Amino acid sequence: KNEVEQSPQNLTAQEGEFITINCSYSVGISALHWLQQHPGGGIVSLFMLSSGKKKHGRLIATINIQEKHSSLHITASHPRDSAVYICAVEKLTFGTGTRLTIIP
Amino acid sequence: NAGVMQNPRHLVRRRGQEARLRCSPMKGHSHVYWYRQLPEEGLKFMVYLQKENIIDESGMPKERFSAEFPKEGPSILRIQQVVRGDSAAYFCASSPGVPNTGELFFGEGSRLTVL
Repeated sequence: KNEVEQSPQNLTAQEGEFITINCSYSVGISALHWLQQHPGGGIVSLFMLSSGKKKHGRLIATINIQEKHSSLHITASHPRDSAVYICAVEKLTFGTGTRLTIIP
Repeated sequence: NAGVMQNPRHLVRRRGQEARLRCSPMKGHSHVYWYRQLPEEGLKFMVYLQKENIIDESGMPKERFSAEFPKEGPSILRIQQVVRGDSAAYFCASSPGVPNTGELFFGEGSRLTVL
């Protein structure tokens, strides 16, 4: 069974700061997902990664298959980025999430 | 083009009643996943279905819970004889293509409250 750990659990930052959220897993995978859950509860898929790096607007996701580690970066953070960010492996195992709060 | 549709969005049941949650995947998607999120907890995988087949139900409680994805119509998650501990948000997601290579698209969730 894959174990997924995220860090930090909570993160508060000022608007404009560069944000990094980390995810480590224990067993080799073929795909890793980054999800965003807003305070209202809805979940949006941000990225699906199997190797390398993906960029979408101010969001960047990277994965290192050998080290079993992925990072989600947010550049020029904005209060609307405030949400819980969740890492998931193989659609089956989820991290506990990182609660991000961006202060204006 | 509708996304993943879940209904009802909110459901209240008394202990011992049955709850039926429905999920219509995105058009063209044949893979459906159900997840549960208990209050203040993370998402937990329950079951993965393709049309008319249960592929992986390793996350489903052994009793009272069942899921189906018939040839026609939505996927159904059924909880019999609900208990207070079943109160949670139940999310459905659909995906195209081969397992583990398709992006996930989530519904808005169904929030079950058991009185």
